[in-house]
Amino acid sequence: DAGVIQSPRHEVTEMGQEVTLRCKPISGHDYLFWYRQTMMRGLELLIYFNNNVPIDDSGMPEDRFSAKMPNASFSTLKIQPSEPRDSAVYFCASSPTGGVNQPQHFGDGTRLSIL
Amino acid sequence: AQSVTQPDIHITVSEGASLELRCNYSYGATPYLFWYVQSPGQGLQLLLKYFSGDTLVQGIKGFEAEFKRSQSSFNLRKPSVHWSDAAEYFCAVGSGAARQLTFGSGTQLTVLP
Repeated sequence: DAGVIQSPRHEVTEMGQEVTLRCKPISGHDYLFWYRQTMMRGLELLIYFNNNVPIDDSGMPEDRFSAKMPNASFSTLKIQPSEPRDSAVYFCASSPTGGVNQPQHFGDGTRLSIL
Repeated sequence: AQSVTQPDIHITVSEGASLELRCNYSYGATPYLFWYVQSPGQGLQLLLKYFSGDTLVQGIKGFEAEFKRSQSSFNLRKPSVHWSDAAEYFCAVGSGAARQLTFGSGTQLTVLP
C-alpha cells in the first residue's frame, strides 16, 4: 500500500521566494495533518483538515503560511514570502476516521532550507 | 493543556542490552498514548498505542510499553536491543475530543556494537 507521499523531499530556495510543499494522503483517510520539525521546537502541529476542511490552524506561525486541501487526495502548504527561520523539516500525516486512537501515518517529510 | 516530557535527550546502550525510554504525560482525562520511531531522513512510524484495556501494550519490532496512571508514565521497553533500533523515539499524547497529538521532544537512541 502506498503511504503518505510528500514532494519535494528537499527544497533549497532564497529568502523571499514562494515555497509550496505537497502532500498526498493515504487513500481513504479523511484527516490530514501538517507538522513542522525543528531542533529548537521539536514537532509542532501547524494545521489539520477533516474531509478537506481546515479544522484547526492555530499552529500556523503567521500569515505567510497557508494550507489548502482542494480534494481528498491532495494538500499544499505554502510559505510566501519565505524567511530563513522557516528552515525545517515539514511532515504531512494522515489518519482514518474513528477518533484520536487512530494512528497518524507520516510521510518522509520535506527538508526545507531558506538561504 | 496536555503535555509530554521525555527526560532523556540521548541514551546509549550496547547491542543485546535491555532498553527503557521514559515518557511522562500531563492530561486531565484518560489519555491516548503513542510511541513513534523516526529513522534519519524518514517520517515517524508508529510503534504502539494505548487507549484502554490492558496497561501493557505490545508493539512492532519487539517493543512494549506500560501505562501507569498513578505515575502519569508510559515508558517504552525492549528486552534486547538490535543495532537497527538506533533512531529517535517520540512519545505522544492525544485527546479524545480533538485530533491533535502533542509530542515529546524525543529521545535519541545510540546502539553500540
